[in-house]
Amino acid sequence: GAVVSQHPSRVICKSGTSVKIECRSLDFQATTMFWYRQFPKQSLMLMATSNEGSKATYEQGVEKDKFLINHASLTLSTLTVTSAHPEDSSFYICSARSLNRGETPYGYTFGSGTRLTVV
Amino acid sequence: RKEVEQDPGPFNVPEGATVAFNCTYSNSASQSFFWYRQDCRKEPKLLMSVYSSGNEDGRFTAQLNRASQYISLLIRDSKLSDSATYLCAVVPNFGNEKLTFGTGTRLTIIP
Repeated sequence: GAVVSQHPSRVICKSGTSVKIECRSLDFQATTMFWYRQFPKQSLMLMATSNEGSKATYEQGVEKDKFLINHASLTLSTLTVTSAHPEDSSFYICSARSLNRGETPYGYTFGSGTRLTVV
Repeated sequence: RKEVEQDPGPFNVPEGATVAFNCTYSNSASQSFFWYRQDCRKEPKLLMSVYSSGNEDGRFTAQLNRASQYISLLIRDSKLSDSATYLCAVVPNFGNEKLTFGTGTRLTIIP
């Protein structure tokens, strides 16, 4: 089945540094990538949607200059948390959709998530 | 009003019991509906899609009520391994493929 590989799974960084999270679709072309954030005991909140080769569309309240999204190829999307602060500590998950819906079960394939801790 | 709402629980039920969750959505034009299961510190896993006619997969039954704008999930003969958080998810409308999640309902099956 369709697989999205997300790295790193865990990262601890110092306040003020930047962290890059990668999501790769291993056996299909991810034309659309969704990036979510989940705080403890809360639901997944959509941060942004990116289509390959286009600028990402950010949800209301999400700072596009702080959360940089690049979706330069059909198999790779990255989220960079710039100048991270402790309040950015969260679980970040990507979800990929294929142009060919048949390539992913019901259309959405999730990465395994990245747990970011900013100290 | 939130786009998708769930009772956060927690639901603590004995093994073998039947448990049901509801989830309401605010956009009447919503097109696709799903139930996901999320274990602690893991990504959500698709449990089942929800169709207007209702659908069943083993011990799990999902229903959609468009008139009242809610979806439901029924788990029969619950197992210890069913302990998890159950998230409903909705695609709001055609042309907008964003998957919007509810807050999730925490279920613990007690031996």
